[in-house]
Amino acid sequence: GAGVSQSPSNKVTEKGKDVELRCDPISGHTALYWYRQSLGQGLEFLIYFQGNSAPDKSGLPSDRFSAERTGGSVSTLTIQRTQQEDSAVYLCASSFGGTRWDEQFFGPGTRLTVL
Amino acid sequence: AQTVTQSQPEMSVQEAETVTLSCTYDTSESDYYLFWYKQPPSRQMILVIRQEAYKQQNATENRFSVNFQKAAKSFSLKISDSQLGDAAMYFCATTAGAGSYQLTFGKGTKLSVIP
Repeated sequence: GAGVSQSPSNKVTEKGKDVELRCDPISGHTALYWYRQSLGQGLEFLIYFQGNSAPDKSGLPSDRFSAERTGGSVSTLTIQRTQQEDSAVYLCASSFGGTRWDEQFFGPGTRLTVL
Repeated sequence: AQTVTQSQPEMSVQEAETVTLSCTYDTSESDYYLFWYKQPPSRQMILVIRQEAYKQQNATENRFSVNFQKAAKSFSLKISDSQLGDAAMYFCATTAGAGSYQLTFGKGTKLSVIP
């Protein structure tokens, strides 16, 4: 597609439920990033993929958070047993690898609300 | 680790006037990048301008320019001839250079443009 797309755009869930957030990067972009934006805060890095591998998962806030990427394209961020503090906008970005890794293009995000 | 501070939570500017948004950062790296991102109400982060720390010349992109003071670790954004479409949240971000892939963001400055 022309840009990074994310689905759903909004998700409301009950505490304790699992949720899956999807990201479709720009075609040809080998690198993919997940960020979290809590209310009134800047973006917090969660995880980065190069191809299907995640070299660094240290930004994931707890073991309830996991992410995968298949076929070097679509990525899914899964949050298990959601808590109210997980409520935030989850943003995905993608970029070319190599020397152009830092030109990150962002999607519109998924707003997650945990009741 | 890098930190980014944006000391102005909100700013306003009259249409057609000039406004400067402040950003200071802290890093122990010698090779890093600095960015300004714009986030309109649509939530999609848009890269406004980027600066490579080893370049002394300040980056410019049309009406947007930066004042990069490396010794002071300051990276301010100047918007000239402000337009209504410039109203948004503006985030300053940084990362270490080669081999790094995480963006560290400030908490943002909300810019209002007064007609």
